[in-house]
Parts: sequence; C-alpha cells; structure tokens
Amino acid sequence: DTGVSQDPRHKITKRGQNVTFRCDPISEHNRLYWYRQTLGQGPEFLTYFQNEAQLEKSRLLSDRFSAERPKGSFSTLEIQRTEQGDSAMYLCASSPPVRNEQFFGPGTRLTVL
Amino acid sequence: QKEVEQDPGPLSVPEGAIVSLNCTYSNSAFQYFMWYRQYSRKGPELLMYTYSSGNKEDGRFTAQVDKSSKYISLFIRDSQPSDSATYLCALEGGGADGLTFGKGTHLIIQP
Repeated sequence: DTGVSQDPRHKITKRGQNVTFRCDPISEHNRLYWYRQTLGQGPEFLTYFQNEAQLEKSRLLSDRFSAERPKGSFSTLEIQRTEQGDSAMYLCASSPPVRNEQFFGPGTRLTVL
Repeated sequence: QKEVEQDPGPLSVPEGAIVSLNCTYSNSAFQYFMWYRQYSRKGPELLMYTYSSGNKEDGRFTAQVDKSSKYISLFIRDSQPSDSATYLCALEGGGADGLTFGKGTHLIIQP
C-alpha cells in the first residue's frame, strides 16, 4: 500500500499523560499536514511542513501540541499533559511538490479518560 | 459567519437518483477546491480537485465551481448504496494555511 499511513490507529490514555502519533506520507510527497477532527465537524488544520521545515504552526491548539519532521520524511505529533478535550481523530495528509491535492491517512483516534 | 458553510443533512435519496451537494464560502482568496468522501471512522478520501470556475467530470462525479457566487457543488449520478458517507468540501488559498473544510453532509442512499 503506497498511501499515507498513521500509527497507532487508536490510542487510549489517561488525562495528564503524553502521547505521540506518527505519520508516514506518500513517497516523494514533500508537504505534510496535520489536522484534528471532532465528531460532526470537518477536519481542522493544525500545522504544515514543507520538507523538514515547519512553515505554519500558529494553528496548533496550545503549547501542549508540537510536531516534528526531522528528515523531511515521517512526522510526529505530540500532545503533552493530555486533557479530555483532546479526544478526537488526528489526521495526517501529504501533497506532491507541484499540486495542491492533499491525500489523507486513516487517522489516529485518541480517547483521553 | 463561518468561512465555509455546508448543510450537515442527513440527505436521504433513493438509489439511482442524482445527488447534489453544495458549499458556500465567504473568502475570495480561496483558489483550490476539493471534495472528499469520508466513511465512518475512516480518513477522508479525495474525490475531486479543481482550481477554476466551471465543471469537472470524473466518472459519476461532477464538481462545479462558481467563484463569482462563491458556491461549489458536487453532483453524483446513478447513486449507489455504497455512496452513503459524509461528503466534505475543502478549500485552500494556496499558501501555508492548509485546507478549510465544511462540516460535511451526511448522505444516505436508500436501496
């Protein structure tokens, strides 16, 4: 399968714990995006990488959220000190260099107890 | 007023009908227009992508963009029960802001 992959698919954690999600984009896609989707809503943009550079991070929901893409390949999204309001689907998408279509992964569903 | 308005439905139609799904938007900076299909608890799947006013057809799907009215549509011909899903419109201004989505329309195709 050559699509966007995300790991884990499901994560259950207790309030106050840190969690990290991984995204592997489509090969040769240099742009990578993270979104959050809550029930009944469309995905909400969080952050954007072009290669290893994080070009937009002002939309991260709070300073508890951070993302990295160390070598311009896979990316991680970390949430520190999780809260119940962080429960959502976290989606990753990637784009090829010269087109604007974004291809999404299956998402990581986070449940904070 | 939200940047992108989309009726959440549900929209229920009989199998074989033509389905019309719509979004309106307020920001004229949007240049790229996409439609995604999302099944329950899955990631969005790209159906259509366009960047100009007019129609674009792909199989049973037609995307229509009217930039002057800030109105976009997706038509599905010969609808099938497998088309039952949530359909999301998504718009982008071409910068680093990511996609702006509508809430999604929940579509039900009755066999």
